[in-house]
Amino acid sequence: DSGVVQSPRHIIKEKGGRSVLTCIPISGHSNVVWYQQTLGKELKFLIQHYEKVERDKGFLPSRFSVQQFDDYHSEMNMSALELEDSAMYFCASSLVAGGGSDYTFGSGTRLLVI
Amino acid sequence: QQQVRQSSQSLTVWEGETAILNCSYENSAFDYFPWYQQFPGEGPALLIAIRSVSDKKEDGRFTIFFNKREKNLSLHIKDSQPGDSATYFCAASANTGANTGKLTFGHGTILRVHP
Repeated sequence: DSGVVQSPRHIIKEKGGRSVLTCIPISGHSNVVWYQQTLGKELKFLIQHYEKVERDKGFLPSRFSVQQFDDYHSEMNMSALELEDSAMYFCASSLVAGGGSDYTFGSGTRLLVI
Repeated sequence: QQQVRQSSQSLTVWEGETAILNCSYENSAFDYFPWYQQFPGEGPALLIAIRSVSDKKEDGRFTIFFNKREKNLSLHIKDSQPGDSATYFCAASANTGANTGKLTFGHGTILRVHP
């Protein structure tokens, strides 16, 4: 069990550019959520997918889209990047989507928009 | 409206002391409360969790005390070690309703344990 794998670890993009973040959940986990964290502070909920279906959406900007694939890995497509998109992006996975699910987080992707 | 609140942004204790981190919540539907520990440069890691049917959960040096009537809980770290220095997030989720399973996090408390 290699845990939740996120790539890339670090990325620098110019304002207005595009980026793709990838998340590979723990084997067998079909529930994947994304969080944004700025300055090591609050974890802001972005979106949740369960069994390839969007289950809940939080603060995900309309410039971003997230898809979960047949193997349950997830990709976040980010376009028209803005300076305030600079943050750590974490994905987490769990076995089920219900309350009381124990999430395992990845190590995150640090995005810097310049 | 901050649904999960952590009363301290930071807390400093000496090695060997008990660190107490406080958390409160608004939503009565919340029934599962995990605490996550995060070290710099890493993702949050589940430390210990409690369900609302219990008032105490203990795991080694870590204990959660839960008060459903007051809608608050606290994490006690007994015999604090310098290696416990990290950011601790209180979180909550509900088992019913539209947002089932979604974890709502507090802003975190930075714990520093001085040797």
